[in-house]
Amino acid sequence: SAVISQKPSRDICQRGTSLTIQCQVDSQVTMMFWYRQQPGQSLTLIATANQGSEATYESGFVIDKFPISRPNLTFSTLTVSNMSPEDSSIYLCSVPGQGIYNEQFFGPGTRLTVL
Amino acid sequence: EDKVVQSPLSLVVHEGDTVTLNCSYEVTNFRSLLWYKQEKKAPTFLFMLTSSGIEKKSGRLSSILDKKELFSILNITATQTGDSAVYLCAVADRGSTLGRLYFGRGTQLTVWP
Repeated sequence: SAVISQKPSRDICQRGTSLTIQCQVDSQVTMMFWYRQQPGQSLTLIATANQGSEATYESGFVIDKFPISRPNLTFSTLTVSNMSPEDSSIYLCSVPGQGIYNEQFFGPGTRLTVL
Repeated sequence: EDKVVQSPLSLVVHEGDTVTLNCSYEVTNFRSLLWYKQEKKAPTFLFMLTSSGIEKKSGRLSSILDKKELFSILNITATQTGDSAVYLCAVADRGSTLGRLYFGRGTQLTVWP
Protein backbone atom coordinates (compact mmCIF):
# COMPACT_ATOMS: atom_id res chain seq x y z
CA SER A 1 0.00 0.00 0.00
CA ALA A 2 1.03 3.63 -0.52
CA VAL A 3 2.74 5.65 2.21
CA ILE A 4 0.66 8.74 3.00
CA SER A 5 1.67 11.73 5.09
CA GLN A 6 -0.44 14.65 6.30
CA LYS A 7 0.46 18.04 7.70
CA PRO A 8 -0.27 19.41 10.20
CA SER A 9 -0.86 16.54 12.58
CA ARG A 10 -3.01 18.77 14.75
CA ASP A 11 -3.90 22.41 15.14
CA ILE A 12 -5.94 24.70 17.32
CA CYS A 13 -7.49 27.61 15.45
CA GLN A 14 -9.66 30.61 16.13
CA ARG A 15 -13.12 30.86 14.62
CA GLY A 16 -13.28 32.78 11.37
CA THR A 17 -9.81 31.74 10.25
CA SER A 18 -8.84 29.14 7.62
CA LEU A 19 -6.53 26.14 7.75
CA THR A 20 -4.96 24.27 4.84
CA ILE A 21 -4.20 20.58 5.30
CA GLN A 22 -1.66 18.89 3.06
CA CYS A 23 -1.63 15.26 1.93
CA GLN A 24 1.42 13.71 0.26
CA VAL A 25 1.56 10.21 -1.26
CA ASP A 26 4.73 8.33 -2.16
CA SER A 27 3.32 7.11 -5.47
CA GLN A 28 1.15 8.52 -8.23
CA VAL A 29 -2.58 8.04 -7.75
CA THR A 30 -5.46 9.17 -9.90
CA MET A 31 -7.92 9.78 -7.09
CA MET A 32 -7.47 11.09 -3.57
CA PHE A 33 -10.29 11.34 -1.04
CA TRP A 34 -10.89 13.71 1.84
CA TYR A 35 -12.92 12.59 4.87
CA ARG A 36 -14.13 14.25 8.03
CA GLN A 37 -14.75 12.49 11.34
CA GLN A 38 -16.58 14.59 13.89
CA PRO A 39 -16.30 13.53 17.54
CA GLY A 40 -18.09 10.24 18.12
CA GLN A 41 -19.22 10.01 14.51
CA SER A 42 -18.36 7.92 11.50
CA LEU A 43 -16.13 8.98 8.66
CA THR A 44 -17.91 11.12 6.10
CA LEU A 45 -16.59 11.68 2.61
CA ILE A 46 -16.15 15.39 1.83
CA ALA A 47 -14.91 15.19 -1.74
CA THR A 48 -12.94 13.29 -4.32
CA ALA A 49 -9.89 15.09 -5.72
CA ASN A 50 -8.90 14.22 -9.26
CA GLN A 51 -5.76 15.57 -10.86
CA GLY A 52 -6.50 18.01 -13.66
CA SER A 53 -10.17 18.53 -12.89
CA GLU A 54 -12.43 20.07 -10.28
CA ALA A 55 -13.00 18.11 -7.11
CA THR A 56 -16.31 16.27 -6.77
CA TYR A 57 -18.12 17.22 -3.56
CA GLU A 58 -20.56 15.10 -1.62
CA SER A 59 -23.97 16.33 -0.60
CA GLY A 60 -23.68 18.84 2.22
CA PHE A 61 -20.17 20.00 1.34
CA VAL A 62 -19.38 22.98 -0.89
CA ILE A 63 -16.28 24.28 -2.58
CA ASP A 64 -16.44 27.70 -0.88
CA LYS A 65 -16.17 26.06 2.54
CA PHE A 66 -13.75 23.24 1.62
CA PRO A 67 -11.67 24.28 -1.41
CA ILE A 68 -9.41 21.50 -2.65
CA SER A 69 -6.32 21.62 -4.81
CA ARG A 70 -4.76 18.72 -6.70
CA PRO A 71 -1.73 20.10 -8.54
CA ASN A 72 -0.19 16.69 -9.34
CA LEU A 73 -0.66 12.97 -8.89
CA THR A 74 1.05 12.77 -5.48
CA PHE A 75 -0.27 15.81 -3.61
CA SER A 76 -3.52 17.45 -2.54
CA THR A 77 -4.65 20.11 -0.11
CA LEU A 78 -7.93 20.67 1.70
CA THR A 79 -8.72 24.09 3.14
CA VAL A 80 -11.28 24.51 5.89
CA SER A 81 -12.49 28.09 5.47
CA ASN A 82 -14.09 30.54 7.87
CA MET A 83 -13.95 27.97 10.63
CA SER A 84 -16.47 27.53 13.41
CA PRO A 85 -16.38 25.18 16.42
CA GLU A 86 -18.54 22.74 14.43
CA ASP A 87 -15.57 22.18 12.13
CA SER A 88 -13.62 20.60 14.97
CA SER A 89 -12.93 17.13 13.59
CA ILE A 90 -10.30 14.72 12.39
CA TYR A 91 -9.63 15.27 8.70
CA LEU A 92 -8.26 12.34 6.74
CA CYS A 93 -7.03 11.86 3.22
CA SER A 94 -7.05 8.46 1.58
CA VAL A 95 -6.03 6.81 -1.65
CA PRO A 96 -7.41 3.72 -3.37
CA GLY A 97 -5.61 0.38 -3.45
CA GLN A 98 -4.67 -1.48 -6.60
CA GLY A 99 -7.84 -3.56 -6.81
CA ILE A 100 -11.28 -2.83 -8.14
CA TYR A 101 -13.12 -3.38 -4.88
CA ASN A 102 -12.67 0.08 -3.40
CA GLU A 103 -10.19 -0.69 -0.66
CA GLN A 104 -8.69 2.57 0.60
CA PHE A 105 -5.66 3.45 2.65
CA PHE A 106 -5.65 6.41 4.98
CA GLY A 107 -3.17 9.04 5.96
CA PRO A 108 -2.35 9.71 9.64
CA GLY A 109 -5.01 12.40 9.92
CA THR A 110 -5.20 16.00 11.13
CA ARG A 111 -6.95 16.76 14.41
CA LEU A 112 -8.49 20.23 14.21
CA THR A 113 -9.89 22.10 17.18
CA VAL A 114 -11.68 25.39 16.57
CA LEU A 115 -12.16 27.70 19.54
CA GLU B 1 -30.55 7.01 7.18
CA ASP B 2 -27.49 4.96 8.06
CA LYS B 3 -26.43 2.49 5.41
CA VAL B 4 -23.98 0.76 7.74
CA VAL B 5 -24.85 -0.09 11.35
CA GLN B 6 -22.34 -1.50 13.78
CA SER B 7 -22.97 -3.12 17.12
CA PRO B 8 -22.22 -2.95 19.90
CA LEU B 9 -21.11 0.68 20.07
CA SER B 10 -18.68 -0.17 22.82
CA LEU B 11 -17.31 -3.29 24.43
CA VAL B 12 -15.09 -3.85 27.45
CA VAL B 13 -13.37 -7.21 27.91
CA HIS B 14 -10.36 -8.71 29.66
CA GLU B 15 -7.24 -10.03 28.01
CA GLY B 16 -7.77 -13.51 26.63
CA ASP B 17 -11.47 -13.04 25.91
CA THR B 18 -12.95 -13.58 22.46
CA VAL B 19 -15.05 -10.80 20.96
CA THR B 20 -17.44 -10.60 18.04
CA LEU B 21 -18.18 -7.30 16.37
CA ASN B 22 -21.17 -6.91 14.11
CA CYS B 23 -21.81 -4.91 10.97
CA SER B 24 -25.08 -4.83 9.03
CA TYR B 25 -25.48 -2.90 5.84
CA GLU B 26 -28.00 -1.78 3.30
CA VAL B 27 -26.75 -0.81 -0.13
CA THR B 28 -28.41 -1.19 -3.48
CA ASN B 29 -25.60 -2.83 -5.36
CA PHE B 30 -22.95 -4.29 -3.07
CA ARG B 31 -19.34 -4.21 -4.17
CA SER B 32 -17.26 -4.91 -1.06
CA LEU B 33 -17.13 -4.64 2.74
CA LEU B 34 -14.04 -3.45 4.56
CA TRP B 35 -12.92 -3.58 8.20
CA TYR B 36 -10.55 -1.01 9.66
CA LYS B 37 -8.87 -0.57 13.04
CA GLN B 38 -8.65 3.03 14.23
CA GLU B 39 -6.22 3.95 16.96
CA LYS B 40 -5.95 7.68 17.69
CA LYS B 41 -6.62 9.11 14.21
CA ALA B 42 -5.71 6.94 11.22
CA PRO B 43 -7.82 3.91 10.23
CA THR B 44 -5.65 0.90 9.42
CA PHE B 45 -6.94 -1.54 6.81
CA LEU B 46 -7.68 -5.05 8.15
CA PHE B 47 -9.82 -7.01 5.71
CA MET B 48 -11.83 -6.69 2.55
CA LEU B 49 -14.68 -9.08 1.79
CA THR B 50 -16.32 -9.44 -1.59
CA SER B 51 -18.63 -11.84 -3.37
CA SER B 52 -15.62 -13.97 -4.25
CA GLY B 53 -14.00 -13.76 -0.83
CA ILE B 54 -16.47 -14.07 2.00
CA GLU B 55 -14.11 -15.28 4.71
CA LYS B 56 -10.75 -13.86 5.74
CA LYS B 57 -8.34 -14.70 8.54
CA SER B 58 -5.18 -13.09 9.78
CA GLY B 59 -3.69 -14.33 13.02
CA ARG B 60 -6.20 -13.83 15.82
CA LEU B 61 -8.57 -11.84 13.61
CA SER B 62 -11.13 -13.34 11.26
CA SER B 63 -14.12 -12.05 9.39
CA ILE B 64 -17.01 -13.46 7.45
CA LEU B 65 -19.55 -11.93 5.12
CA ASP B 66 -23.14 -13.06 4.76
CA LYS B 67 -24.36 -11.47 1.53
CA LYS B 68 -27.78 -13.00 1.86
CA GLU B 69 -28.43 -11.57 5.31
CA LEU B 70 -26.39 -8.39 4.62
CA PHE B 71 -24.03 -8.52 7.55
CA SER B 72 -20.47 -9.22 8.51
CA ILE B 73 -18.76 -10.15 11.76
CA LEU B 74 -15.24 -9.54 12.93
CA ASN B 75 -13.90 -12.01 15.48
CA ILE B 76 -10.89 -11.40 17.67
CA THR B 77 -9.67 -14.33 19.73
CA ALA B 78 -7.32 -14.22 22.74
CA THR B 79 -7.64 -10.44 22.91
CA GLN B 80 -4.67 -8.32 24.00
CA THR B 81 -4.49 -4.78 25.34
CA GLY B 82 -3.07 -3.75 21.97
CA ASP B 83 -6.40 -4.67 20.37
CA SER B 84 -8.01 -1.70 22.14
CA ALA B 85 -9.25 0.59 19.36
CA VAL B 86 -12.30 1.63 17.37
CA TYR B 87 -13.18 -0.94 14.73
CA LEU B 88 -14.84 0.53 11.64
CA CYS B 89 -16.90 -1.23 9.03
CA ALA B 90 -17.32 0.30 5.57
CA VAL B 91 -19.24 -0.74 2.49
CA ALA B 92 -18.71 0.13 -1.17
CA ASP B 93 -21.71 0.38 -3.46
CA ARG B 94 -21.29 -0.26 -7.18
CA GLY B 95 -23.80 2.42 -7.97
CA SER B 96 -21.94 5.18 -6.15
CA THR B 97 -18.97 7.25 -7.12
CA LEU B 98 -15.98 4.97 -7.58
CA GLY B 99 -14.14 4.97 -4.32
CA ARG B 100 -17.04 6.09 -2.20
CA LEU B 101 -17.26 4.19 1.08
CA TYR B 102 -20.11 4.27 3.59
CA PHE B 103 -18.81 3.95 7.14
CA GLY B 104 -20.49 2.79 10.30
CA ARG B 105 -19.95 4.63 13.58
CA GLY B 106 -17.58 1.98 14.83
CA THR B 107 -17.27 -0.25 17.87
CA GLN B 108 -15.03 1.01 20.66
CA LEU B 109 -13.21 -2.04 22.03
CA THR B 110 -11.38 -1.76 25.34
CA VAL B 111 -9.26 -4.68 26.52
CA TRP B 112 -8.22 -4.62 30.17
CA PRO B 113 -5.13 -6.46 31.35
